[in-house]
Amino acid sequence: DAGVIQSPRHEVTEMGQEVTLRCKPISGHDYLFWYRQTMMRGLELLIYFNNNVPIDDSGMPEDRFSAKMPNASFSTLKIQPSEPRDSAVYFCASRPTSRPYNEQFFGPGTRLTVL
Amino acid sequence: AQSVTQLGSHVSVSEGALVLLRCNYSSSVPPYLFWYVQYPNQGLQLLLKYTTGATLVKGINGFEAEFKKSETSFHLTKPSAHMSDAAEYFCAVYPLASGSRLTFGEGTQLTVNP
Repeated sequence: DAGVIQSPRHEVTEMGQEVTLRCKPISGHDYLFWYRQTMMRGLELLIYFNNNVPIDDSGMPEDRFSAKMPNASFSTLKIQPSEPRDSAVYFCASRPTSRPYNEQFFGPGTRLTVL
Repeated sequence: AQSVTQLGSHVSVSEGALVLLRCNYSSSVPPYLFWYVQYPNQGLQLLLKYTTGATLVKGINGFEAEFKKSETSFHLTKPSAHMSDAAEYFCAVYPLASGSRLTFGEGTQLTVNP
């Protein structure tokens, strides 16, 4: 099993540019989560999907952030336009419904730097 | 709302010494409880979890945690620290009535000194 795959691992961009982060969950996992980790705010849940449908996006900071899951094996988190305060590590995690105890499997993260 | 408090954002121990990382939660109903570990430049991985049954749970790498309902605590311990244990540790709770949302504590950075 390849685990949760995220790309790119590192992204450096300039303020105002569009940024797209990608995630491939573990095959068979029907829940997908996007988190953001910063020194100031710790680990925050941004949004999660079940069977490709967004269930809770209350953690999405503002309209500049959007997330999609067009199919069971792919999700994107987009920031447009990006700002320096968006600099963080973004994690994707997945879990199967068959694990009722909500054990999530995390990807290695994307470190985003907005200059 | 659920909350998780990890006492001490930084803990430093000597190699071979006891590791104790503290976690308290607020809930009227005992939730499911987890400890995750994050090594530098990596994602989080599950160390151990408590759902039901035995209150002392054992995890990977020699770690264990004890669920104490009366104290609303789930402290993580390891009898003898190893240099490779240096990492950030997160306590998390899954309140049974909240859908699929895990709530994480702020994390504790563990340093192991030679």
